[in-house]
Amino acid sequence: GAGVSQSPSNKVTEKGKDVELRCDPISGHTALYWYRQSLGQGLEFLIYFQGNSAPDKSGLPSDRFSAERTGGSVSTLTIQRTQQEDSAVYLCASSLVASGNGGELFFGEGSRLTVL
Amino acid sequence: ILNVEQSPQSLHVQEGDSTNFTCSFPSSNFYALHWYRWETAKSPEALFVMTLNGDEKKKGRISATLNTKEGYSYLYIKGSQPEDSATYLCAPLGGNNRLAFGKGNQVVVIP
Repeated sequence: GAGVSQSPSNKVTEKGKDVELRCDPISGHTALYWYRQSLGQGLEFLIYFQGNSAPDKSGLPSDRFSAERTGGSVSTLTIQRTQQEDSAVYLCASSLVASGNGGELFFGEGSRLTVL
Repeated sequence: ILNVEQSPQSLHVQEGDSTNFTCSFPSSNFYALHWYRWETAKSPEALFVMTLNGDEKKKGRISATLNTKEGYSYLYIKGSQPEDSATYLCAPLGGNNRLAFGKGNQVVVIP
């Protein structure tokens, strides 16, 4: 597709279950970011992938969160043993070059996660 | 983590009126400033990427200025239209290739 694609668009899960969120970035974009927006908060950085470099995982809130990017393209964000505070909109973005080189981000429409 | 303040958090504007709002950020270690527009049920879209002190950028009726020395950027909407209703996100870039987003300026244009 032409844009960043995320799935699922909505996910309702029970506390303690694992969830996987998927992001398909724009083809050729080397940088991929995950952010989340909790109610009333700004976008919170989670993780950043750049090419073949080791990802910057410094924004992941706990060890229940992990992400991978296979083949430099699709990325999966996994949340294990979900908690109610994990409820948020999870946004994926990609850019042709890293933000530090002037790269604007292209966002997906997000995955809204609700943990009951 | 960069501390980014956007004000006002929310504003209602009459159609046809012009408006502006502010993004404040630490002036040290500045690399760039991004503005995004996020309409309900859509994905955030880039408006501007600004790097130089005194930069002024324009896209249609929307323009932005940047002061890196004092750490602020203004976004202006001239002659607001209902389609301008959105949340406007400001994001300065620190030295770690990471954008730090503010909570946004939520704009509602009243027809």
